[in-house]
Amino acid sequence: DSGVTQTPKHLITATGQRVTLRCSPRSGDLSVYWYQQSLDQGLQFLIQYYNGEERAKGNILERFSAQQFPDLHSELNLSSLELGDSALYFCASSVAGIDTQYFGPGTRLTVL
Amino acid sequence: GENVEQHPSTLSVQEGDSAVIKCTYSDSASNYFPWYKQELGKGPQLIIDIRSNVGEKKDQRIAVTLNKTAKHFSLHITETQPEDSAVYFCAASIGSNYQLIWGAGTKLIIKP
Repeated sequence: DSGVTQTPKHLITATGQRVTLRCSPRSGDLSVYWYQQSLDQGLQFLIQYYNGEERAKGNILERFSAQQFPDLHSELNLSSLELGDSALYFCASSVAGIDTQYFGPGTRLTVL
Repeated sequence: GENVEQHPSTLSVQEGDSAVIKCTYSDSASNYFPWYKQELGKGPQLIIDIRSNVGEKKDQRIAVTLNKTAKHFSLHITETQPEDSAVYFCAASIGSNYQLIWGAGTKLIIKP
């Protein structure tokens, strides 16, 4: 157990809908990262937050947005969902954003 | 842009034999190289990492070597066991905030 929690574990929704994925980092970690992993694919970095501020952006679609709250938990919002958005979404956290990333168990999103 | 190439994509070895997975990176400023293991249905788990001021690091049956001149690093697993079967990802840091660029993954199969 990495100490990173993600909810929900599974999410099934329809095209065009909007969902919110939630992540709680390890105690003491200030930085949160979001990744997308499509079936049998590698990890695509989406976005990183450090202590509430956006720090780095990867291949994140405009339909996707994220934020990190004062209590350091983070949410990833996915809107106007398409079939191709079906994937595993992982959150990771690190102490200072320049060190080891610890991954949560992921949220499996299925868009029908 | 920066990238990390990982080979092979699939590796099948006899139980007890050694396994080697290789990665090549493009950003000469990269200075942190972690390896993660992902079991089916779980989030990636850090198994070993190396920083650019070190050429080799060992942890029991696992070792990582780094050649900064050639810009490649490798994961070595000795005396492989069935529980080593998983997908392994390499990554390299870019930028000052340790954003990671990921390899595509290697599916390691341990044959009994």
